[in-house]
Amino acid sequence: KAGVTQTPRYLIKTRGQQVTLSCSPISGHRSVSWYQQTPGQGLQFLFEYFSETQRNKGNFPGRFSGRQFSNSRSEMNVSTLELGDSALYLCASRPSTGNTEAFFGQGTRLTVV
Amino acid sequence: SQQGEEDPQALSIQEGENATMNCSYKTSINNLQWYRQNSGRGLVHLILIRSNEREKHSGRLRVTLDTSKKSSSLLITASRAADTASYFCATDSGGSYIPTFGRGTSLIVHP
Repeated sequence: KAGVTQTPRYLIKTRGQQVTLSCSPISGHRSVSWYQQTPGQGLQFLFEYFSETQRNKGNFPGRFSGRQFSNSRSEMNVSTLELGDSALYLCASRPSTGNTEAFFGQGTRLTVV
Repeated sequence: SQQGEEDPQALSIQEGENATMNCSYKTSINNLQWYRQNSGRGLVHLILIRSNEREKHSGRLRVTLDTSKKSSSLLITASRAADTASYFCATDSGGSYIPTFGRGTSLIVHP
């Protein structure tokens, strides 16, 4: 079974631009969560999608958004990028919202210059 | 915000020694998990312990949970250089099974 796939692996963007990151969960997994990891704040939960609906949301500004497609693939979007958005963005899939063990992708390293 | 906090932040040991990491959390939990992350990569699930369990083993890993103290420990026995990584505890609570992570312990095992 293929693992969680995140694309792209690395990204460099300029302040003010927007970016879209993609995540394909493990086949059969319907829950996709996104996390931001920075040295200062650690792993912060962004949001979770299940059955194309956002089920939970962390404490991030509205510039961070996401969506999930009918095949469970998910995208997250960050608009009006700031330097502080530079981070490793991790996607995690779970079979459903009732399972806690999460399977992570390799992450997308976003650098904002 | 972090639910769990690992201690110590960094740990440096020699190959063959045991490594112990601790995690403290603030509110009642459903489950506690430990994950490993190699530098700049995704997290890998190591072990899950439920709130009604006290101890669990998996290979060279031993996890304990003390819900009265709201704390857990991860013991890695006979450490290897390949165990060098960051280790995170994650908890979930209430009706949400979304794991919330601590800041991690950075473990270096010298060959």
